[in-house]
Amino acid sequence: GENVEQHPSTLSVQEGDSAVIKCTYSDSASNYFPWYKQELGKGPQLIIDIRSNVGEKKDQRIAVTLNKTAKHFSLHITETQPEDSAVYFCAASSYGNQFYFGTGTSLTVIP
Amino acid sequence: GAVVSQHPSWVICKSGTSVKIECRSLDFQATTMFWYRQFPKQSLMLMATSNEGSKATYEQGVEKDKFLINHASLTLSTLTVTSAHPEDSSFYICSASRGAGEQYFGPGTRLTVT
Repeated sequence: GENVEQHPSTLSVQEGDSAVIKCTYSDSASNYFPWYKQELGKGPQLIIDIRSNVGEKKDQRIAVTLNKTAKHFSLHITETQPEDSAVYFCAASSYGNQFYFGTGTSLTVIP
Repeated sequence: GAVVSQHPSWVICKSGTSVKIECRSLDFQATTMFWYRQFPKQSLMLMATSNEGSKATYEQGVEKDKFLINHASLTLSTLTVTSAHPEDSSFYICSASRGAGEQYFGPGTRLTVT
């Protein structure tokens, strides 16, 4: 089955700096890679996703890159703000099947 | 678009009683709904997958007689925790898919069994 690893587990950055979270996956059949932001006591919120036919996707301050050969994908947040502080989860799935989640990254943006 | 609601947002029940949690897709029809459980500071653990009108598919180790899932329509799925015990206390989250592979999550339900 699929195995998704996520690093780092915790990340602290100064407001305005960039944050990068990386995930690796093991199953070459995986073709959908979403990123979720989860605030304390709330459900995960989809913030960006990428499919295997694309190498990079950007939405304002958030971008995701995918390297299919190396089987890793990354979340990039630029110009971080205190409200970006949350736990971020990556996931991998193939053809709408079960999601395999990473272990999460707790991001703290220091004002 | 793609809003998923859950009700209740939190519930406290006594040991031995049953609790029902509702998950609704508010602005789309969900071909598939998923139920997850999340422990503090951990990732999401898939409990079961349900399709409208079909029996749910449970993950290994999840007791189907204890966690009853009903997916009666394309916008509603329910999870009933039967004969709840303190160890069932957790954060339960549902998600819904429109069929393109993505999942949209509900806000979660905090269950506390006393």
